[in-house]
Amino acid sequence: KNEVEQSPQNLTAQEGEFITINCSYSVGISALHWLQQHPGGGIVSLFMLSSGKKKHGRLIATINIQEKHSSLHITASHPRDSAVYICAARGGSQGNLIFGKGTKLSVKP
Amino acid sequence: NAGVTQTPKFQVLKTGQSMTLQCAQDMNHEYMSWYRQDPGMGLRLIHYSVGAGITDQGEVPNGYNVSRSTTEDFPLRLLSAAPSQTSVYFCASRASGISNTQYFGPGTRLTVL
Repeated sequence: KNEVEQSPQNLTAQEGEFITINCSYSVGISALHWLQQHPGGGIVSLFMLSSGKKKHGRLIATINIQEKHSSLHITASHPRDSAVYICAARGGSQGNLIFGKGTKLSVKP
Repeated sequence: NAGVTQTPKFQVLKTGQSMTLQCAQDMNHEYMSWYRQDPGMGLRLIHYSVGAGITDQGEVPNGYNVSRSTTEDFPLRLLSAAPSQTSVYFCASRASGISNTQYFGPGTRLTVL
């Protein structure tokens, strides 16, 4: 069993839809990261959270430490949101990241 | 700030050849790391460093060497390339302290024939 599991693997949405991507982890963590990887390949950090909820524009990330679960929500989705979204758990003494396999999101106009 | 830079962007090698992937950061970050990304798999940690002169193995270190002689640079060496090392390689850095954001380089796409 992977230590970080994401669902769904692939997601197709219509422009304007509300999107949720889920992440479950089985390791003890100090923080949970959400990353975005565009088709060009570059990876950028969207959120880093260890409790509660964070919001940036149309993106919202939540985490439930007791249930070892995090969600990434996108409100009013847009074709430019099309990307791979990656969940990563930071743990261990050095804070190395353990990555999920990613969720490929495609938003159709 | 240039952030995290990687060279080359693309590379084709023949089996048995050696090469060095370059990684540099200008943010004075102590922690640097190398990952490989393969289809259907998450990013996997190859090697990491918590400061100049200190390196350690990650999840998939076999076939790779690293060194950290300066804070800025963290090169990844393939000693004798194998087709199984065909992958996209990402370098990343962050400030020390496990609560800091990690910054990724643009990646190097390596093909080993």
